Amino acid sequence: KNEVEQSPQNLTAQEGEFITINCSYSVGISALHWLQQHPGGGIVSLFMLSSGKKKHGRLIATINIQEKHSSLHITASHPRDSAVYICAVVGMDSNYQLIWGAGTKLIIKP
Amino acid sequence: EAGVAQSPRYKIIEKRQSVAFWCNPISGHATLYWYQQILGQGPKLLIQFQNNGVVDDSQLPKDRFSAERLKGVDSTLKIQPAKLEDSAVYLCASSLDRINEQFFGPGTRLTVL
Repeated sequence: KNEVEQSPQNLTAQEGEFITINCSYSVGISALHWLQQHPGGGIVSLFMLSSGKKKHGRLIATINIQEKHSSLHITASHPRDSAVYICAVVGMDSNYQLIWGAGTKLIIKP
Repeated sequence: EAGVAQSPRYKIIEKRQSVAFWCNPISGHATLYWYQQILGQGPKLLIQFQNNGVVDDSQLPKDRFSAERLKGVDSTLKIQPAKLEDSAVYLCASSLDRINEQFFGPGTRLTVL
């Protein structure tokens, strides 16, 4: 079993829909990252959080430390949001290195 | 603030040839990472530097891969000789320190024929 699990693996939605991507982890962490990767592109860090909730534009990230679960929400989704969204945790016993989820491929249709 | 710079962006070589990638981290960032991302997979950490010292290179195939960060700023990653399975995107990232958020460069896409 992977230490970081994301769901769904693939998600296709219509423009304007509210999007939720989930991340569950099984290790103790000091922080959790949500990152975005466009096809052929580099990786962009969206959020780093260790508790509660963060918001940036149409993106919202939440984390529940007790339940070892985080969600990334996109409001009013747009085709330019189409990308792979990756959850990665900073494991307490991993020398602060990132433990990566497999990613969620999101396609937003106009 | 300038981001992490990498070059080249793309490279095509034949197997058994050598190749080198360059990374310039964000100014002031002590920690630098090289990742290998094979198509359809998540990034795999190859090597982590703290200033000019190696923190972790446990997943670096040392028979063919080498990396250095001589002055604690720029870094180069070399593959010699390349194999077909080295075809991947090589990502460089940097952070203020090990516990801080990582910022990624655009990556170098390597194709080995």
